[in-house]
Amino acid sequence: AQSVAQPEDQVNVAEGNPLTVKCTYSVSGNPYLFWYVQYPNRGLQFLLKYITGDNLVKGSYGFEAEFNKSQTSFHLKKPSALVSDSALYFCAVRAFSGGYQKVTFGIGTKLQVIP
Amino acid sequence: EAGVVQSPRYKIIEKKQPVAFWCNPISGHNTLYWYRQNLGQGPELLIRYENEEAVDDSQLPKDRFSAERLKGVDSTLKIQPAELGDSAVYLCASKERGGGETQYFGPGTRLLVL
Repeated sequence: AQSVAQPEDQVNVAEGNPLTVKCTYSVSGNPYLFWYVQYPNRGLQFLLKYITGDNLVKGSYGFEAEFNKSQTSFHLKKPSALVSDSALYFCAVRAFSGGYQKVTFGIGTKLQVIP
Repeated sequence: EAGVVQSPRYKIIEKKQPVAFWCNPISGHNTLYWYRQNLGQGPELLIRYENEEAVDDSQLPKDRFSAERLKGVDSTLKIQPAELGDSAVYLCASKERGGGETQYFGPGTRLLVL
């Protein structure tokens, strides 16, 4: 069965510092990988995705993520954190499982950017 | 362009009562998803539609949950009867065919079963 792990419940970072939110996955076959952000009382918003090609993908709001096949990871990064980046971040993987295209989300990581 | 619309935004019911959630996807999006998000968890897929066809309902608890998308546009998710454990946020998402795999989410319906 496919799975997504976000090992940190919360990440705290000072404003202006680089941030990393970790994600590892387990699938059979080739994964499609996604990051979504969820602000309070709002729906999930798409940030970026990896389908194929360049391992470093750039997304919305200055975020980027690097696909690492050998480590089965897809960590989210940003060079300089903003207070407005404080939110809940979800990693997701899509792959074939049991004959279906399955989408599995991680449990989320709360990012707190400290002014 | 309007996003995914869901109603109601909040619903409080007593256990054993029925409840229904409505979703209108982004215009032109063929694929529609219903997810359940429990507190402190990521979304879990309940059902996926391609147009009016439910192509993946393997994780839908069919004894009490049902869904329909009769004309391949808007969709309704129903729970009958509701149980305490059904309290969660129910999210609807849509995706256009060939749209690069990106799902667009609605704001969700927060259900509280008392």
